[in-house]
Amino acid sequence: DIVMTQSPLSLPVTLGQPASISCRSSQSLVHSDGNTYLNWFQQRPGQSPRRLIYKVSNRDSGVPDRFSGGGSGTNFTLKISRVEAEDVGIYYCMQNTRWPFTFGPGTKVDVK
Amino acid sequence: QVQLVESGGGVVQPGGSLRLSCEVSLFTFSRYVMQWVRQAPGKGLEWVAFIRNDGSNEHADSVKGRFTISRDNSKNTLYLQMNSLRAEDTAMYYCVSGYYFDYWGQGTMVTVSS
Repeated sequence: DIVMTQSPLSLPVTLGQPASISCRSSQSLVHSDGNTYLNWFQQRPGQSPRRLIYKVSNRDSGVPDRFSGGGSGTNFTLKISRVEAEDVGIYYCMQNTRWPFTFGPGTKVDVK
Repeated sequence: QVQLVESGGGVVQPGGSLRLSCEVSLFTFSRYVMQWVRQAPGKGLEWVAFIRNDGSNEHADSVKGRFTISRDNSKNTLYLQMNSLRAEDTAMYYCVSGYYFDYWGQGTMVTVSS
């Protein structure tokens, strides 16, 4: 199975400042079709997860453009250019390149 | 707006069974991949099962042989039959649409306890 790791696991942030979360996979996430199936999800307190980014860097409609995803192979990053109060929650990376699909452990973002 | 509404959760004894349902308001439901993801209390997300529009499916090793994902396209409904339940299956179960986990339901809680 592909193991997903994230760092940091806890990220205290100052509102208005940037934040970055790293996600690494134990194997390359490049599929035989050439796509890289790495996604990012946000789970606000008490809510269901929602997708923010799919296939590394494609931002979902309705997701603020302060969120961006990047990376390749086994190293990926989610960046928030200026953190807002509504961004508090847990962020998960997830791969669906190979079975079984696997999630990272999550990074908890809260305000300092 | 896509809506996914799960039901069927509850408290069950170890070794028991439950069937979860997910009604999907999506007129093209029959064309969509559907999935189940679970989250144990205070823990992270775990992928459980996947079903294509033709009914072919995949299950996580942790549930293989005990859980079965299925769908009824005529009813726009996804199911998860859970047998031989264990304490470690206690979790919120989310119904998710799409290969890319596009939309998530609110979840239904399953508690396995004697």
